[in-house]
Amino acid sequence: DIQMTQSPSTLSASVGDRVTITCRASQSIDFWLAWYQQKPGKAPKLLVYEASKLESGVPSRFSGSKSGTEFTLTITSLQPDDFATYYCQHYSGYLWSFGQGTKVETK
Amino acid sequence: QVQLVQSGAEVKKPGASVKVSCKASGYTFASYGITWVRQAPGQGLEWMGWISAYNGNTNYAPRLQGRVTMTTDTSTSTAYMELRSLRSDDTAVYYCARGSGDFHFWGQGTMVTVSS
Repeated sequence: DIQMTQSPSTLSASVGDRVTITCRASQSIDFWLAWYQQKPGKAPKLLVYEASKLESGVPSRFSGSKSGTEFTLTITSLQPDDFATYYCQHYSGYLWSFGQGTKVETK
Repeated sequence: QVQLVQSGAEVKKPGASVKVSCKASGYTFASYGITWVRQAPGQGLEWMGWISAYNGNTNYAPRLQGRVTMTTDTSTSTAYMELRSLRSDDTAVYYCARGSGDFHFWGQGTMVTVSS
């Protein structure tokens, strides 16, 4: 099975900060990776798919990138609505999995 | 607009089974797969498996293989997830999501509590 290692598990930041979250796959997954945002008591919301494609309606301050088996979600200027938990998820092959999650909290 | 509406909360005893439904609307049901994801209290997301709404093909997470069955009813545009031999660590919110990889639309979640 392909394992996704997400870091950090918690990130303390302030409004306006540039935030970077990383996921590393245990083997090649091409560009089959998505990023989700989840707020307490709510279903996850798709932000980025196929590593770098921004979901319709998602603010342009969010972006995804890929370098080999390392994937990055960047928020260029953190907004109050962005404090949440973020998950990566691979969908290469037939068995998919999520990263462990990154909670973005107020510094 | 695309909507996935799930059935209501369930409370089950250990060893019992639960069947959660996910009724789709706003799109051609057979054109997309349905994935099931669960989240235990305070924990992360766990991918459970996927079913093709076109032909019923399934892929299940290895740790749930043998206890989970996913089905669809194209006549009512509804997907089902049945989990058997429930244990306390199956207590979670169960979500359905549309897609065969990336999940653009999600149900509202169904809380399943396993308690004696």
